[in-house]
Amino acid sequence: GAGVSQSPRYKVAKRGQDVALRCDPISGHVSLFWYQQALGQGPEFLTYFQNEAQLDKSGLPSDRFFAERPEGSVSTLKIQRTQQEDSAVYLCASSPFRVGTEAFFGQGTRLTVV
Amino acid sequence: AQRVTQPEKLLSVFKGAPVELKCNYSYSGSPELFWYVQYSRQRLQLLLRHISRESIKGFTADLNKGETSFHLKKPFAQEEDSAMYYCALKYGSNYQLIWGAGTKLIIKP
Repeated sequence: GAGVSQSPRYKVAKRGQDVALRCDPISGHVSLFWYQQALGQGPEFLTYFQNEAQLDKSGLPSDRFFAERPEGSVSTLKIQRTQQEDSAVYLCASSPFRVGTEAFFGQGTRLTVV
Repeated sequence: AQRVTQPEKLLSVFKGAPVELKCNYSYSGSPELFWYVQYSRQRLQLLLRHISRESIKGFTADLNKGETSFHLKKPFAQEEDSAMYYCALKYGSNYQLIWGAGTKLIIKP
């Protein structure tokens, strides 16, 4: 399809395990965003890419979180040594503009850390 | 600090009744506000933005700076309006959004 695709849709990780979440944005979209959405909450900004450049990572909660978009297309969010508080839905969004409000969202990856 | 508050986690109304989803914000700058919607098993999507002053699917929202509110309204609810609704505030740069916790709207037949 032509939408933002995220994989896996669901991930169960044991505490301490490393995980990698993938986002395939809409082709040609300049901007890419990652959000974390805890149960019963709205999305919270994690990081922003403009093409391959990570312009803002101020929302990453700790140095266990790392995101990359090496070729300005696919992005990966990596979480090292997962903790229970990392359990959330991770949303990726992309936009053809340098404006976050017009972004198209993926369906999210639900991460459960046990 | 900037904040978006949606006081109702759940709102249930009958089909044909008016709907008002509340959103209040706290922001010292010039606010730009948005409503997003997520239908069951679908993706989060932009519904409307205050600067456009548009009506989408019968919904409107007016920015009230005096009351720091951006409530979403529809005069006659339809069953297909059942969804999660999120209010969001743009702050700082062009890409930074802060979101409310969302209101689940249920339209009863």
